Amino acid sequence: NFMLTQPHSVSESPGKTVTISCTRSSGSIADNYVQWYQQRPGSSPTNVIYEDDQRPFGVPDRFSGSIDSSSNSASLTISGLKTEDEADYYCQSYDTSFEVFGGGTKLTVL
Amino acid sequence: QVQLQESGPGLVKPSETLSLTCAVSGDSMSSGSYYYSWIRQPAGKALEWIGRIYISGKTNYNPSLKSRVTILIDTSKNQLSLKLTSVTAADTAVYFCARQLVGVTTYEKWGQGTQVTVAS
Repeated sequence: NFMLTQPHSVSESPGKTVTISCTRSSGSIADNYVQWYQQRPGSSPTNVIYEDDQRPFGVPDRFSGSIDSSSNSASLTISGLKTEDEADYYCQSYDTSFEVFGGGTKLTVL
Repeated sequence: QVQLQESGPGLVKPSETLSLTCAVSGDSMSSGSYYYSWIRQPAGKALEWIGRIYISGKTNYNPSLKSRVTILIDTSKNQLSLKLTSVTAADTAVYFCARQLVGVTTYEKWGQGTQVTVAS
């Protein structure tokens, strides 16, 4: 089985753009879709990106996802940062019988 | 509106068995449209996938927990259950149930989670 590695924390100012990475330890990042979840304190996670780069209905287009085979990683980019974006973000992927979550990244909007 | 609601004891003694239930309302599990999973999160730490079940009863478990985990589904009660044996303090966490549409890889609906503390 593989692991997904995320930076522990990132910070950026309101209005700016931030990118959070998610690196797969073995196998290709392109082998299986990557999802991203936002989790605010005391709440359940909510999906913000699915199938690498798709936005669920209701998620603002400030949120975008991508994968990069050269670095074997996925990325979540949030543009036009708002204070409400401050949260923990988790990537998630899978293989045939196993689901994997990344270690999570705390986004601070200061 | 579909809701998933976890319930069970908030305190479990070391070496005993943790038992939780997730009740699904607003949708019938018998439709066969979803996988249902248990996911946990220790305080201040990352999400950890425990395992999942389909209405056929087919299960997949996290290899690190497989020897201690059992997930069952009861479509007559529209709920699923989790049993984790021989618990230790390391099993203290918020436990979530969540569902994935078959053929789609995202968890589109989560319960609110229930805190379980392992202590004597």
